[in-house]
Amino acid sequence: DAGVIQSPRHEVTEMGQEVTLRCKPISGHNSLFWYRQTMMRGLELLIYFNNNVPIDDSGMPEDRFSAKMPNASFSTLKIQPSEPRDSAVYFCASREGTAYTEAFFGQGTRLTVV
Amino acid sequence: ELKVEQNPLFLSMQEGKNYTIYCNYSTTSDRLYWYRQDPGKSLESLFVLLSNGAVKQEGRLMASLDTKARLSTLHITAAVHDLSATYFCAVEANSGYALNFGKGTSLLVTP
Repeated sequence: DAGVIQSPRHEVTEMGQEVTLRCKPISGHNSLFWYRQTMMRGLELLIYFNNNVPIDDSGMPEDRFSAKMPNASFSTLKIQPSEPRDSAVYFCASREGTAYTEAFFGQGTRLTVV
Repeated sequence: ELKVEQNPLFLSMQEGKNYTIYCNYSTTSDRLYWYRQDPGKSLESLFVLLSNGAVKQEGRLMASLDTKARLSTLHITAAVHDLSATYFCAVEANSGYALNFGKGTSLLVTP
């Protein structure tokens, strides 16, 4: 298996632009997470999907952030409009089941908003 | 809110020495995970600990879980340079489903 696949790996955008991050989870995994990593705040959970349904989005910073999972093999995280403080590494992770199993992380998308 | 605290946050140690990283958490849980992250890379799963008293070992690393004390340890034996990385513990509350991460311990092993 190719693991969790994220794209793009790097994104540089201007403040105010829309940014879309993409994730393909491992086949057969039914839980998907989006995390954000910064030096100051560490790894923050943004949203969790189970069987394509958003279960907990309390970590989404504000209305500028939205996430979708239209099917079991694809998820997007969108930021509109983007701001410099959104600059971070965004990780997607997936796992089999809903508990008691490790999550596998993608390579991450490094987002820079200038 | 589930809090996960790791210490130390930074650790510089000599090759050949032993050391322990601690992970404390604030809620009832019998599910704890350790990850490794190299600079600029993703997180790699090291250990999955799913019961009180669980102990897992891989090479020079050994992880344990004490659910009563809400404490996990990651012990490093005879450190080598290749172990230099950031180590995260992540806790999944018994009432939850998401992995809540500590701040990470940045380990540097020097000759």
